[in-house]
Amino acid sequence: AQSVAQPEDQVNVAEGNPLTVKCTYSVSGNPYLFWYVQYPNRGLQFLLKYITGDNLVKGSYGFEAEFNKSQTSFHLKKPSALVSDSALYFCAVRDPWGGGSQGNLIFGKGTKLSVKP
Amino acid sequence: EAQVTQNPRYLITVTGKKLTVTCSQNMNHEYMSWYRQDPGLGLRQIYYSMNVEVTDKGDVPEGYKVSRKEKRNFPLILESPSPNQTSLYFCASRIQGGMNTEAFFGQGTRLTVV
Repeated sequence: AQSVAQPEDQVNVAEGNPLTVKCTYSVSGNPYLFWYVQYPNRGLQFLLKYITGDNLVKGSYGFEAEFNKSQTSFHLKKPSALVSDSALYFCAVRDPWGGGSQGNLIFGKGTKLSVKP
Repeated sequence: EAQVTQNPRYLITVTGKKLTVTCSQNMNHEYMSWYRQDPGLGLRQIYYSMNVEVTDKGDVPEGYKVSRKEKRNFPLILESPSPNQTSLYFCASRIQGGMNTEAFFGQGTRLTVV
């Protein structure tokens, strides 16, 4: 069965420091991977995705993510965190070959990122 | 502007009183879905629709109904709401054949059932 794990409920980072939000996945085939961000009282906004090709994917707001097939991970990173990056981050996977799911997104539980000045 | 619009944004209701949360998208997307978000559980899919008159259950469909009579609209219906349906609900849409495309989400509807 498809699944996504975000092992950290919360990540605390000082402004200006690099940040990493972890995500691991389990699918039967090659996955399509996504990161979304949710700011307070807002809907989910798309950040970036991995479909194929380069393992390092760049997205919105200076975020990037590294796909590691051997470790089945897709960690979200940013070289220098901003206070405004504080939000809830969701990793999601879509298995294009998963039967019966019609390619629905499976979400992790979310990681709250807190960036302090 | 491309968007998914949900209404209402906030709703407090009583147990057993039927309600409908509307969802509309202006991107001509075939695929639409509903999720509920609960602390510590992430987003779980309730129902999805691959096109007009085509709907199917997601992971947590109990207590919910949907309909897809028009391509742009995908309302979520709670025939007899119960307190365990208190949650934050999101509607989303994307291109049906676009396995590699991202979904667009509405702003969310915070529902409280007392």
